[in-house]
Amino acid sequence: QKEVEQDPGPLSVPEGAIVSLNCTYSNSAFQYFMWYRQYSRKGPELLMYTYSSGNKEDGRFTAQVDKSSKYISLFIRDSQPSDSATYLCAMSGRDDKIIFGKGTRLHILP
Amino acid sequence: DAGVTQSPTHLIKTRGQQVTLRCSPKSGHDTVSWYQQALGQGPQFIFQYYEEEERQRGNFPDRFSGHQFPNYSSELNVNALLLGDSALYLCASSLDERDTQYFGPGTRLTVL
Repeated sequence: QKEVEQDPGPLSVPEGAIVSLNCTYSNSAFQYFMWYRQYSRKGPELLMYTYSSGNKEDGRFTAQVDKSSKYISLFIRDSQPSDSATYLCAMSGRDDKIIFGKGTRLHILP
Repeated sequence: DAGVTQSPTHLIKTRGQQVTLRCSPKSGHDTVSWYQQALGQGPQFIFQYYEEEERQRGNFPDRFSGHQFPNYSSELNVNALLLGDSALYLCASSLDERDTQYFGPGTRLTVL
C-alpha cells in the first residue's frame, strides 16, 4: 500500500460547480497536510496548509483533514476555467519529508 | 521579490553522461530541497540542504548528489544517467525545515 493514494483523474466538471478532491494515507505519523496546484510545465504552487484535523477556508478553497479516517479533501467552490490544473495532495510528519500524491488532473468546462 | 529560480529550463543528455542542475532560493530562504517528478507522478523527495549540509535524503542512489553554497543556492548532480532519470527536477526553498516550501518552475531533463 502506498503511503499516499490519490485518484489521478481526469476529473471534468462544468464551470460554477463545486469540486471535491480527495486523498487517503496510511502513515498515522503525518500531521501536516498540504494541497498544491500545478499548471502544465510549471512548478507546484501551495494552495492550502493545515495542521492536524479540522477545516481551513481560504476564499473559494476549503481544506478538510480527518486524521481518524486518514482522509483529506479539498473543495473548490464556484469553479472557474482557470482552476483547470493538476492538484497534488502532500503531507509530512516530524521528519519534515514531504510525501506527495500522484495528483488529480482537473478540467473545468466553460 | 524573485521567487525560486532554476536553470537550465530544459536539458537533453545521453545515457552515462553527467548533469548539473542549479537552483537559487527565494530571497531570505536558507533551506533548499530537491524533488524528481516523473510524468504523471507526484514529486519525490531527493534530498534537502541546510547550512551547506545535506540534512535529509530520500530513496535515491548515490548517483544523485548535491551541494549548497554560502549564498544558499544549490546544485543537483546526477552521474551515470539512466533513461529512467528523465523527469522534471524541482527545487523548493523554505525559511527553515518546517516552513512552507516554495517551488521553482523546474528543469526538464530528457535522457536519450
